[in-house]
Amino acid sequence: QKEVEQDPGPLSVPEGAIVSLNCTYSNSAFQYFMWYRQYSRKGPELLMYTYSSGNKEDGRFTAQVDKSSKYISLFIRDSQPSDSATYLCAMKSGGGADGLTFGKGTHLIIQP
Amino acid sequence: EPEVTQTPSHQVTQMGQEVILRCVPISNHLYFYWYRQILGQKVEFLVSFYNNEISEKSEIFDDQFSVERPDGSNFTLKIRSTKLEDSAMYFCASREVAVGYEQYFGPGTRLTVT
Repeated sequence: QKEVEQDPGPLSVPEGAIVSLNCTYSNSAFQYFMWYRQYSRKGPELLMYTYSSGNKEDGRFTAQVDKSSKYISLFIRDSQPSDSATYLCAMKSGGGADGLTFGKGTHLIIQP
Repeated sequence: EPEVTQTPSHQVTQMGQEVILRCVPISNHLYFYWYRQILGQKVEFLVSFYNNEISEKSEIFDDQFSVERPDGSNFTLKIRSTKLEDSAMYFCASREVAVGYEQYFGPGTRLTVT
């Protein structure tokens, strides 16, 4: 079983729609969760960072963590064509382990 | 806004050669990382570095790889005797010590081994 699973898509939605992106994970030690946006052949850009369970909102983005279900989500409201990119979830456990474990990424296309 | 920078953006090398990839982390950050992403695959952790020593490394980071902080601003990844399967994007990342665990990535170096 892969540690972090993410539907690769592509996910295509019309401009203005609400987008839901998700990851599931198997390692119950993961405590810190991040969402990155990656444009083609560019570096991952940090969008959201959350610790443990709950919601966090930043502008049009909302990150949600459900540790009991080992499930995290990123919601994008009022989606724009510029949001078209690959979205990567990443997570790490507590303590000394510092390397992030990434999902494979979901390719999102916002149609104008 | 401060950002992680990496050079070169693209490196082509022949199999068996040594390459050094360079990174300048964000200036007040003290944790540094290397990741790689083979085309079409997920980003994979290689190594983390703090206080002039490796703090964690993955199974990928074998004796072929080494890291160094040669001065107060640069952080390097050396790959000895490159193999075809080392072809990938290599990303450097950094984070602050006390604030949280957010890691900020550079634009990457595309390594092509022929």
